[in-house]
Amino acid sequence: AQSVTQPDIHITVSEGASLELRCNYSYGATPYLFWYVQSPGQGLQLLLKYFSGDTLVQGIKGFEAEFKRSQSSFNLRKPSVHWSDAAEYFCAVGGTGGFKTIFGAGTRLFVKA
Amino acid sequence: DTGVSQDPRHKITKRGQNVTFRCDPISEHNRLYWYRQTLGQGPEFLTYFQNEAQLEKSRLLSDRFSAERPKGSFSTLEIQRTEQGDSAMYLCASSPGQGRDEQYFGPGTRLTVT
Repeated sequence: AQSVTQPDIHITVSEGASLELRCNYSYGATPYLFWYVQSPGQGLQLLLKYFSGDTLVQGIKGFEAEFKRSQSSFNLRKPSVHWSDAAEYFCAVGGTGGFKTIFGAGTRLFVKA
Repeated sequence: DTGVSQDPRHKITKRGQNVTFRCDPISEHNRLYWYRQTLGQGPEFLTYFQNEAQLEKSRLLSDRFSAERPKGSFSTLEIQRTEQGDSAMYLCASSPGQGRDEQYFGPGTRLTVT
């Protein structure tokens, strides 16, 4: 069955510290992988995507993610977190055409001063 | 490119009433999706259109739910005889529809059924 697991419901990091959000997926075919961010009252914004090629992908706002096929993981990282990064982050997996994308339950990021 | 828009942003209705939501996708995007998101969860797929054709419906979409995209542009999602369990955020997304493509989301419509 297709699924996405985000093991951490919430994470708290200090401003300026590094961040890693975990994502594991189960998908029967070649996965297309996405990270979205959702701020309160806002829609989901695409941070980055992986379709093929280089397994380290760069996104907006200084985020990057690494696809590890052997671990079925697509973890999101940022070297230095800003207070404005506080939001909910969703990992998602899709297939050809991107429809029926499956989302994880999300990880809420808190940033402390 | 004005992004995906949804109307209304908030809707409060009484149980048993019908509600209709509208989604305007990014122009020239031929794929349109509806999702439902409840508190503490990620979006759950409801249905998907390629132009005006509704190509897939989730089992989450009961007979009380219907979606249309009559001219391949905007879409409506109607819920008949609303129930308290329908309370959620309803998200619309669109994508260019060119093979592997990413979805762009609207701000959502928050439905509260009292």
